[in-house]
Parts: sequence; C-alpha cells; structure tokens
Amino acid sequence: KQEVTQIPAALSVPEGENLVLNCSFTDSAIYNLQWFRQDPGKGLTSLLLIQSSQREQTSGRLNASLDKSSGRSTLYIAASQPGDSATYLCAVRPPGTYKYIFGTGTRLKVLA
Amino acid sequence: GAVVSQHPSRVICKSGTSVKIECRSLDFQATTMFWYRQFPKQSLMLMATSNEGSKATYEQGVEKDKFLINHASLTLSTLTVTSAHPEDSSFYICSAIPDGLAGTDTQYFGPGTRLTVL
Repeated sequence: KQEVTQIPAALSVPEGENLVLNCSFTDSAIYNLQWFRQDPGKGLTSLLLIQSSQREQTSGRLNASLDKSSGRSTLYIAASQPGDSATYLCAVRPPGTYKYIFGTGTRLKVLA
Repeated sequence: GAVVSQHPSRVICKSGTSVKIECRSLDFQATTMFWYRQFPKQSLMLMATSNEGSKATYEQGVEKDKFLINHASLTLSTLTVTSAHPEDSSFYICSAIPDGLAGTDTQYFGPGTRLTVL
C-alpha cells in the first residue's frame, strides 16, 4: 500500500531564506508526483507536476525534484516570502488510476 | 481556465441530519470526479471515485450507505452525508477530470466545503 510522508510537519523561517521540503513515498511505481499549495480553509493550488520519467520541474522560485528509485521528492523554494506561508502537500498518482495519494503536508510560515 | 465549484462552502448542521454537498464543473464535462476528506491538520484522504451513470467506487473503510454519491450529470456530482455526527466534521474537497483530457494529467480541484456537525 502506497504511503506518502512529508518532513518536516511544520517549518518557520525568516523571509528571504531558501528552504527545502521533503516528500517520501513507499512504492516507487508511480505515474506522476504533484506538489500543491493549500491556504487555510481553502482548496488546492497545483504548483508543479513531475512525470515519473522526469527528474525535476521548475516554476519561478520553485523547483521540484524526483528520485523515483529512492522514493523521494523535494520542493525547493528560493528567497522565501511571507506570501509563501501555506501548507504544502505532495501527492503521488499510482499507475492505471487518476486518483492521488496525498502526503501529510508541511505547514510553512515565513516571517516578515 | 477550467473551474470546479463546490456548494456550500460552509455548512453547520445538527447531529442526525443529512447534508448534501455539490461539486460542479463549470466549463467542462467530467465523467469522473473524486471526493476527498481532510480532517484538521491532516492530509487529504480519498473517499470515493464518482462516475457519471454508474455507481461510485468507495475506498476501503468508507461507508457507502453513510456517504451517498450521485453523479447524475456530466457536470455535477453530489455527496450526501447521511445522519451526520460530530466525527463527520471535516473539509470535503472534490476534483474532476475533464472529458477528452482523461489521458493527460489534467485534474481540477474544487475549493472545498467545511462541514461542522454540532
């Protein structure tokens, strides 16, 4: 059974710091992996999607990497800003299905 | 861009009542939709896959008689929480896959519905 874990569960950093969020999954057989942002009481915003054949994706200050064989993904946020404060979720999509299995989330707070 | 809406955004009800939550694709048709549940400070857990014109597929441990799903049209899926109890209080989020894009990675998530059962 696929399980997705994120470390740390919570993180508080001063503005301007570069930071790394970690995601691990137990079954390397995935179709893709996606990072989402969730603001309190709100839905999900897709940040980056990495196909199983890809190693990384970049969008602005965000960079996500994928090491499928070791079951790991990282989300790198450069020059963090208070507006980046949110919960970040990673989710894997198993092959042959459209559903996602979500990680436990990292609650990020960037202090001004 | 494609949008998925949920109604209501918040609902408070008394224990024992039933609550219906709607998930609607606003500018595309979706044969397949998903319902997720999120408890406070926890991650999203898939409850069921909703298929237009057929019965929903429930994940292990989810009571199908308690969480009734009706996907009556290509733009609307409803989740009814029957005889709600305080432990059903949660954030419910749906997602939808646009027809014609089923072979791609495109999937849109709704904004969620906060259910509080007193």
